[in-house]
Amino acid sequence: KAGVTQTPRYLIKTRGQQVTLSCSPISGHRSVSWYQQTPGQGLQFLFEYFSETQRNKGNFPGRFSGRQFSNSRSEMNVSTLELGDSALYLCASSLYPQGGSSYEQYFGPGTRLTVT
Amino acid sequence: EDQVTQSPEALRLQEGESSSLNCSYTVSGLRGLFWYRQDPGKGPEFLFTLYSAGEEKEKERLKATLTKKESFLHITAPKPEDSATYLCAAPSGNTPLVFGKGTRLSVIA
Repeated sequence: KAGVTQTPRYLIKTRGQQVTLSCSPISGHRSVSWYQQTPGQGLQFLFEYFSETQRNKGNFPGRFSGRQFSNSRSEMNVSTLELGDSALYLCASSLYPQGGSSYEQYFGPGTRLTVT
Repeated sequence: EDQVTQSPEALRLQEGESSSLNCSYTVSGLRGLFWYRQDPGKGPEFLFTLYSAGEEKEKERLKATLTKKESFLHITAPKPEDSATYLCAAPSGNTPLVFGKGTRLSVIA
């Protein structure tokens, strides 16, 4: 079974630009979460999608947004990029969203975004 | 505020030298404690989920245990290929996973 895939793997952008990252979950998984990983803050939750609906959102500004399609694939967008947005962006998929029960999340390889 | 704290930040072991990594958590209504391994430049790789105090799970040289306040990842007779960052995490409120900062393990041949 193929794992979580993310594209592109590497991206260099300049301040003020916007960027779109893509994630394809494991086949059969319907929940997708996004995380930002930086050396200083570690892994921080961005948002979670299930059945094309955003279920939860972390403490990030409105410049960070996302969506999920009917085939469970997801994209996240960052507008008006800032230097501090440089990070590894990770997508994780699970069968269902976290709620009353817990489900293992499986991570993709990430997209390394560098903002200059 | 729910927190997940890992110690030590870094650990250097000789090949074959067993040790333990610690993960303490203050999450009310624990819905699982997750362990991941992350190699440089890669996404975290799922290792274990523990759900209740006293539970143990093993995989090759790794064994994870859970108490009411802590989880331990025991590494028995480690090899250089076990070198990685080990992360623990737990669901918290509406956040699918809150992660600790990780323990960076180096195993020297």
